[in-house]
Amino acid sequence: NAGVTQTPKFRVLKTGQSMTLLCAQDMNHEYMYWYRQDPGMGLRLIHYSVGEGTTAKGEVPDGYNVSRLKKQNFLLGLESAAPSQTSVYFCASSLSGTGSTNEKLFFGSGTQLSVL
Amino acid sequence: AQKVTQAQTEISVVEKEDVTLDCVYETRDTTYYLFWYKQPPSGELVFLIRRNSFDEQNEISGRYSWNFQKSTSSFNFTITASQVVDSAVYFCALSEASNAGNMLTFGGGTRLMVKP
Repeated sequence: NAGVTQTPKFRVLKTGQSMTLLCAQDMNHEYMYWYRQDPGMGLRLIHYSVGEGTTAKGEVPDGYNVSRLKKQNFLLGLESAAPSQTSVYFCASSLSGTGSTNEKLFFGSGTQLSVL
Repeated sequence: AQKVTQAQTEISVVEKEDVTLDCVYETRDTTYYLFWYKQPPSGELVFLIRRNSFDEQNEISGRYSWNFQKSTSSFNFTITASQVVDSAVYFCALSEASNAGNMLTFGGGTRLMVKP
């Protein structure tokens, strides 16, 4: 199984450009998440989804939009990229929320995004 | 609000030394879940352990051990006889039952460098 796959792995944008990051999982997981990782700040939750057709805001949602049209895919969009969005983005999935017994998140390999 | 603090931003040890990574958390929930993840230089996030708040047993897995102490709100991670392959960034994370485990909050990470 591929697990959680993120595309692209690297991207450079100019300020004001838009782009979409794609996350795909083949584990039939209900929950999917988008995090950003910045030096010294760990990972911060941007948006998450508890099932197909649902999305919710996380800790740092401003400047991002998401969609979960298919269970296996979770898209993260930047409508007008800003230098403050330069970061490493991680997608994750889990069968159910981490409140379920022994549940844990499975992570993709990350997308390095630079906004100039 | 939940919070995780990893006060050690960087630790350097020589191979075969023991090393402890500290994790202190804050939560108002009585039921919560604690995690450790490893991020090697390749960038992916690798799950190490999950501990539920109602299970205060310490755990040992090979050279790795975890000390969970509710009285001090700490979940420390010890590597015995460290090896160069242990060099990585280690993240402690917390999830509260009150948000159904949807929000995994990470600490800022501790970069461990093991020198030969």
